[in-house]
Amino acid sequence: GAGVSQSPSNKVTEKGKDVELRCDPISGHTALYWYRQSLGQGLEFLIYFQGNSAPDKSGLPSDRFSAERTGGSVSTLTIQRTQQEDSAVYLCASSLTSGSTPDTQYFGPGTRLTVL
Amino acid sequence: QKEVEQNSGPLSVPEGAIASLNCTYSDRGSQSFFWYRQYSGKSPELIMFIYSNGDKEDGRFTAQLNKASQYVSLLIRDSQPSDSATYLCAVNTGGGSYIPTFGRGTSLIVHP
Repeated sequence: GAGVSQSPSNKVTEKGKDVELRCDPISGHTALYWYRQSLGQGLEFLIYFQGNSAPDKSGLPSDRFSAERTGGSVSTLTIQRTQQEDSAVYLCASSLTSGSTPDTQYFGPGTRLTVL
Repeated sequence: QKEVEQNSGPLSVPEGAIASLNCTYSDRGSQSFFWYRQYSGKSPELIMFIYSNGDKEDGRFTAQLNKASQYVSLLIRDSQPSDSATYLCAVNTGGGSYIPTFGRGTSLIVHP
């Protein structure tokens, strides 16, 4: 079956512009996660959705970052007034999270964001 | 604050050897443990998960969990150059929390 997809795969933008990153999770996966990975660094958690709600937004770096999920499926991560330090690969993952045992996360290919 | 520590490496092993990757975690309540492999420029992919103390084997890979000592390791037997990648350890406390904490990863190089 289809895996997690993300678009665009690459995005180059100018400082101060807004960008939208899209994630389409595996069908039926209720949980969706956004991470950021800078060059040579580990995964930085941004936000987690269970269905359409976001119980944990603690990882969002600033109020310039926001995310939404509609229909329990597609999610959009929006970065307003981009800064050069926002340059990174933005990874989306989804999982079933059925029951009380956390399930395996399946990652999308990522969006490489470059802010000039 | 939950922490997951890994030696960044690189860990260099010859082809055919056993590669041993280690991960320690700070939250004693952690319940599930994952190893992901990430090739350069690619996204992480799951290798194994383990929930119970002891060893879990899957092909050339063995995950070892010791909750008392708060460490989890990954052994790769008969290492191949294609195993060269960064290995990420992820730990989840469970109890309703579905957000894992990732280590920064260990770079493994398997040389012919």
